[in-house]
Parts: sequence; structure tokens; C-alpha cells
Amino acid sequence: NFMLTQPHSVSESPGKTVTISCTRNSGSIASDHVQWYQQRPGSSPTTVIYEDNQRLSGVPDRFSASIDTSSNSASLTISGLKTEDEADYYCQSYDRSSSLIFGGGTKLTVL
Amino acid sequence: VQLEESGPGLVKPSQTLSLTCTVSGDSVRSLTHYWTWIRQPAGKGLEWIGRIYTSGNTNYNPSLKSRVTISLDRSNNRFSLILTSATAADTAVYYCAREAEGTDRSGDYYYYVDVWGNGTTVTVSS
Repeated sequence: NFMLTQPHSVSESPGKTVTISCTRNSGSIASDHVQWYQQRPGSSPTTVIYEDNQRLSGVPDRFSASIDTSSNSASLTISGLKTEDEADYYCQSYDRSSSLIFGGGTKLTVL
Repeated sequence: VQLEESGPGLVKPSQTLSLTCTVSGDSVRSLTHYWTWIRQPAGKGLEWIGRIYTSGNTNYNPSLKSRVTISLDRSNNRFSLILTSATAADTAVYYCAREAEGTDRSGDYYYYVDVWGNGTTVTVSS
């Protein structure tokens, strides 16, 4: 099976742009779609991105995502950062048996 | 769509953890979604436990498969999780969720959670 590795934490200032990476350790990142979830402190996760780069209905277009086969990674980019974006972000894919595989999560601090 | 977890918040070691998820705004008979359990130990990441489809077909995380059963209660529109031989390592927030199966332009399937419950904390301790 494969693993998804995310940076433990990132930080950026309000109004700026931040990118969170999710690197797959075996197999191609392009072979199985990547999703992204946001989990604000004390709350359950919510879905932000599905099918690599599709925003779920209601998600602001400040959120975008992509995959990069050269680095075998997926990225979530948040532009125009707001304090409300401060949260943990998780990437997710799935294996050949369709089991969901989550990354370890990245804590975004907006300072 | 709303999902609400319920069940004991405290389970003794070696005993069985049992949770129920009540679904409103959708039906567990849905042909387009799966019903899923995910857990999160305090301060840690998300772990997928397994899913069930309206047909009763299930998929489980291989690391938990020997101890997990997910079942449907169609008449009450809910689904349940049973985890046997609980240990302290099973202490976590347990989320029930609705999982979507998407199809991309190539016709390949993919899976993601589109609706999450609020979660319920289960502690395994004597």
C-alpha cells in the first residue's frame, strides 16, 4: 500500500497565498484522484476538494488544487488567506481495494 | 443531509465498542452513496474504518478487518459500527459519514467523503 505525506505545519499572513503539499510514496499520484478536507479546531472535517481539483459546492474559489506528476504530489492552494482558514487540512486518496487513505494532516496557522 | 452518531462514550478494555449513525435528509437505501465510519485519536489524523452499501456489501480497513462489522438498519435509516476486543488504542473520536463514488472522464471510479457527522468520543478504559 502507499502513504500520503504532508508537512506537519505551515503558516502565512492574512491576505497571502499558501500551498500545502501531499506526496505519494509509491505509485503515481495521477493514478487515483486526490481529495482535500478542512478541519477547524473542535469541529468535524468538511470536504473542500474532490477529484484532484473540483471544489465542492459552496467552497470559495480562493481554494484550488492540482497534482504534479514530476514530484508525485498533490497541492492545495489557498489565496487571500483569512483567519477563518486556520485549520488542519488532510489529503485523501484510495487504494486498489478502494480503502480510503488519508495524509497525516497539515496545521495551517494564519498569523 | 445530517448524520448523528450515538453510543457509549466509555468502553472497558477487551469489550465491544458499538456505535450507531442516524441519517436524515437521505436514505441508507441510496444507490449513489456509501455509509462510512472514520476515526481520529486525539491530536492525530484520520483513519478510515470501513463502509457499507445499501446492498449490504462492506469494505473494511485491512488493519481493523478482523475486529470490525458495519451493518445497515434500513427500516430506521441508520447504520452501525461494531469493534470487538477494544483496547486503549481504539480511543478516538468516531465519525460517521456519507461517502460518494465518483466517476471521472475516463470512467474510473473514485471515493471521497461528502458529508460528515459531528463525531462522538469513545474512550476505552477500565
